[in-house]
This record gives sequence, C-alpha cells and structure tokens, in this order.
Amino acid sequence: AQKITQTQPGMFVQEKEAVTLDCTYDTSDPSYGLFWYKQPSSGEMIFLIYQGSYDQQNATEGRYSLNFQKARKSANLVISASQLGDSAMYFCAMRERGYSTLTFGKGTMLLVSP
Amino acid sequence: NAGVTQTPKFQVLKTGQSMTLQCAQDMNHNSMYWYRQDPGMGLRLIYYSASEGTTDKGEVPNGYNVSRLNKREFSLRLESAAPSQTSVYFCASKTAGSNYNEQFFGPGTRLTVL
Repeated sequence: AQKITQTQPGMFVQEKEAVTLDCTYDTSDPSYGLFWYKQPSSGEMIFLIYQGSYDQQNATEGRYSLNFQKARKSANLVISASQLGDSAMYFCAMRERGYSTLTFGKGTMLLVSP
Repeated sequence: NAGVTQTPKFQVLKTGQSMTLQCAQDMNHNSMYWYRQDPGMGLRLIYYSASEGTTDKGEVPNGYNVSRLNKREFSLRLESAAPSQTSVYFCASKTAGSNYNEQFFGPGTRLTVL
C-alpha cells in the first residue's frame, strides 16, 4: 500500500485564488511528521511547511497552510492568493518515528494562470 | 554557505559504463540521502547514511553503491549503468534530531544512459 497518496496529477488555478492540494497518508506509527516540498521547473526541491502528528494547530508559513485532519489521515496544502510563481510540482512526504528517511508522494503539478 | 552541492549537473553514459555522482554539504549535517526522480514516480530513496560511518538501503538500491567518505561527502556509484537508471538524482542532507528537521536538497544530476 502506498504510504503517501496524492490523487491530483494536475491542478489549475487562477492568479489570486486559493488552491488546495490533497495528500493522504498511511501509517500505524503515532509519531510522524508531514512535509510539503515545491519543485519549480528549474528542478530544485524547496521545503515549504511541516506538520507534526502531535501538533495541536495546523501549520502555517506565509501563504501556505496545512489542513491537517489526523483522523482522516490527510494533510492538504492550502495556498492562498496564488501567484504565477507558484506554478510548480508539489510533493507531500512523511517521516515516521525512528526513521530519518522521507517517503514521498508522486506529486501534483500546479499551474497558475493570469 | 553553499548548502548541498552535486557534481556533475548532467551526464550521458553508455550502457555498461560506470560513474560516481558526488555530493557534499557544508551544513554539518549528520544524515545524507540519495534519491532518484522519474516521471510520475515522485522521489524514491536509493541509499542513505544516517550518520558518518553508516549506510543503509532505501527503496530502490539495486544497481547502486554508496560511500560516506566523511561527514561532508556522500557519493553514489553506478558500477554498470543500464538504461533503466536514466533519471534525475538528488542528494539531500539533514541534521540529527527530531522529526521536525527537513531535508535540504542539492540541485540534482540529470543522468541519461544510452
């Protein structure tokens, strides 16, 4: 079974609108961390936001927020007020307790139009 | 402070040739990782080194070897390249500690095996 599932291969949004990128995960470990990375067309991987399984509040970083629903095992990324520069591939990833490694989803390509 | 550097940026090999991908980090991180990225597959872990002197297999280790040369450097070797190893290779590093610490990625090496 996939540990990280991103069901949206591609998403389109107009500039200045908000967009939600879906991520569901599968783990039996009560302690884990969830990460989102952005990969623009230039290819580098850019860390965006982190949510710990015991965090009481949803993580936020500027225009990025993470809609964490623990019971549903979902960790959706919300980008508010989309900008053209947000066009990129977005990856959700998970780290489980005792492991230093990340498991990545297959990614969602976001295109922001003017 | 260069972060994570990788050499070369691009490489074309013929089937059966060998090569070593180099990775170095200047952030005094304990853990280092090698991933490959293929279209539609996300990032998959090849090998990692949780600390200097240790290496472990990831999800797709076949056809690769690694060396943690010192705390800064972690190399990936293809002994006999195959077309299936055509991919983009990313090196990453992370400090030791809690689940929170994100991985920092290098710019990637685009490898083509003919």
